[in-house]
Amino acid sequence: GAGVSQSPSNKVTEKGKDVELRCDPISGHTALYWYRQSLGQGLEFLIYFQGNSAPDKSGLPSDRFSAERTGGSVSTLTIQRTQQEDSAVYLCASSLGSPGAGYGYTFGSGTRLTVV
Amino acid sequence: GEDVEQSLFLSVREGDSSVINCTYTDSSSTYLYWYKQEPGAGLQLLTYIFSNMDMKQDQRLTVLLNKKDKHLSLRIADTQTGDSAIYFCAETNLYNFNKFYFGSGTKLNVKP
Repeated sequence: GAGVSQSPSNKVTEKGKDVELRCDPISGHTALYWYRQSLGQGLEFLIYFQGNSAPDKSGLPSDRFSAERTGGSVSTLTIQRTQQEDSAVYLCASSLGSPGAGYGYTFGSGTRLTVV
Repeated sequence: GEDVEQSLFLSVREGDSSVINCTYTDSSSTYLYWYKQEPGAGLQLLTYIFSNMDMKQDQRLTVLLNKKDKHLSLRIADTQTGDSAIYFCAETNLYNFNKFYFGSGTKLNVKP
């Protein structure tokens, strides 16, 4: 597609339920990232996928968080047994290459998750 | 870890210049970026500078980098109300070149 697409745009869930957030990157972008933006905070790195390599999961805050990327394209971020502190905007981004090589990200509009 | 800091708020009048500042601690930074986030939207890449450059100009945007002081700034000339947004500074480095380290963002308010 023309941009990075995320769904749903808004999600309200009850504490303890599982949620799945979806990201559809720009076609041809080999790198895909998930970040979390809490109210008034900067962006917190969660996970990074590059091609067929093992993902960099170093930013996942707990084992309740997991992500997968199927067929090198669509990615799903799953949060199990949601807690109120999980409430945030979850941003997905994709790029042609690494930021360290001068490739900027293209971000989606995010999924606003509210845990009640 | 890598710390990237920004002031939280900046308010300017339409037509004035805006200068948004960013400091970072990482000595091995390679590229530094500026992103813009409008309400309800994701982040939009504005510009970036390689660490061996001092300045980069792109239309109304000027990026200045003082590598010695680890200070980055974004100047917006002739600021318009449409420039009101949150501006994020981000850096990447030799050892973690696959990810950005973002500041907490500066909210720019442009008054008519």
